[in-house]
Order: sequence, then structure tokens, then C-alpha cells
Amino acid sequence: DTEVTQTPKHLVMGMTNKKSLKCEQHMGHRAMYWYKQKAKKPPELMFVYSYEKLSINESVPSRFSPECPNSSLLNLHLHALQPEDSALYLCASSQVQGSVNEQFFGPGTRLTVL
Amino acid sequence: DQQVKQNSPSLSVQEGRISILNCDYTNSMFDYFLWYKKYPAEGPTFLISISSIKDKNEDGRFTVFLNKSAKHLSLHIVPSQPGDSAVYFCAASGTGKLIFGQGTTLQVKP
Repeated sequence: DTEVTQTPKHLVMGMTNKKSLKCEQHMGHRAMYWYKQKAKKPPELMFVYSYEKLSINESVPSRFSPECPNSSLLNLHLHALQPEDSALYLCASSQVQGSVNEQFFGPGTRLTVL
Repeated sequence: DQQVKQNSPSLSVQEGRISILNCDYTNSMFDYFLWYKKYPAEGPTFLISISSIKDKNEDGRFTVFLNKSAKHLSLHIVPSQPGDSAVYFCAASGTGKLIFGQGTTLQVKP
């Protein structure tokens, strides 16, 4: 199994809703990432987990809350989002966190905040 | 402060010809560089990478060249195929963080 899966593919939520994005990989990778990508822009790093511990938080607002329940799963909990948070949310994984490690991306969750 | 730049938003080439995509970076601490391809509604797909200690890496139709003194890398695709039409992102890595360029949309015409 050499892929990263993400659910749901699409999500529409109101500003008062609470929802979660899920990511799963079965490649034995110990580093997992959340990225946000706006239209016609490059992916921007949000969080990095290394061996199930939060390693990097790129000053992301607290309305985004990551969670890594085990080495294969990564969640992103969403609460009280703003319309400007609408974007493609990408999950990625790599063998370990470090420069010389290719990151493998999932297909993304297209989020729309109304 | 854009540390990784792809100055050409788009490129159009004829099938069978060479496609050359360029990328510049500013941070000399980057030690690994990657190219990703992205189709609409999909996540980026890893293509090829190069360590900062090398100046060339080849994988089939794809070759990446690195010029450290110029802080420049390029991706060569030869021969180009219509299925190569996609957005190509250059990315640089240091301390485990990937910094992406803005992307170049490649169109390969049959």
C-alpha cells in the first residue's frame, strides 16, 4: 500500500460547525503533515507530526486542531472556521521527518466554509 | 519573502520536444530539492528529487539539474507527452519542512 487516503473528499460547513478531516497511511511512515492550498497557490505547511508528537505548528489559528491517534492516522479538527479558511487541505507522510525524505500526498479534502 | 520561486506561470511545448521548467531559491541552507506534479482535484505527486551534494539526477524521461552557485534548479522532460500536462511545483527542504514554489502549468500539445 503506497498511498495516503483522505476523507471526506468534499466538505461544506457553516462557521459554527465542528467537523474533522481524516488522513490515513499504511506505509509505515513516522512523519505526517497537514498543508493548506488556496487556488492557484502552492501548498502551505500547517502542522508536522513526528512519531505521533506535534513537531511543527506554523502559527496556525487555534480553530484548527490537529491530532495523531496512532502512527497511521492523522486528524484535523475544525471549529468556528471563517470563509477565508475555504481551501484544499492536503495530508502528506514521509518515512521520518527530515530533509532527505520525499513526502507523499493524499488527494486532499476540498473545504468550503459558508 | 518567497524563498522558492518559479517565475514562469505557464509553459507550452509540442509533443516529443523537451520541456524545461525552472526554479530559483534564496536560502542556501536548503539541502534537498524535489519536483512534484499536480493534476486538478488531486494531491501533488512526487516526481524526482536531488540532494544539494549532486548536480544532476535522472529518472527515465525526467532529469533535474542543480546549480548551487546560482541557486537554480531545472526539470527537463524529454520527450514531452500530452499526459505530462499538469502543474509542476518545485520544492526545497530544510529541517524537514517543504517550501513550495508557485508552480508552472505545463501544456504539452499533441
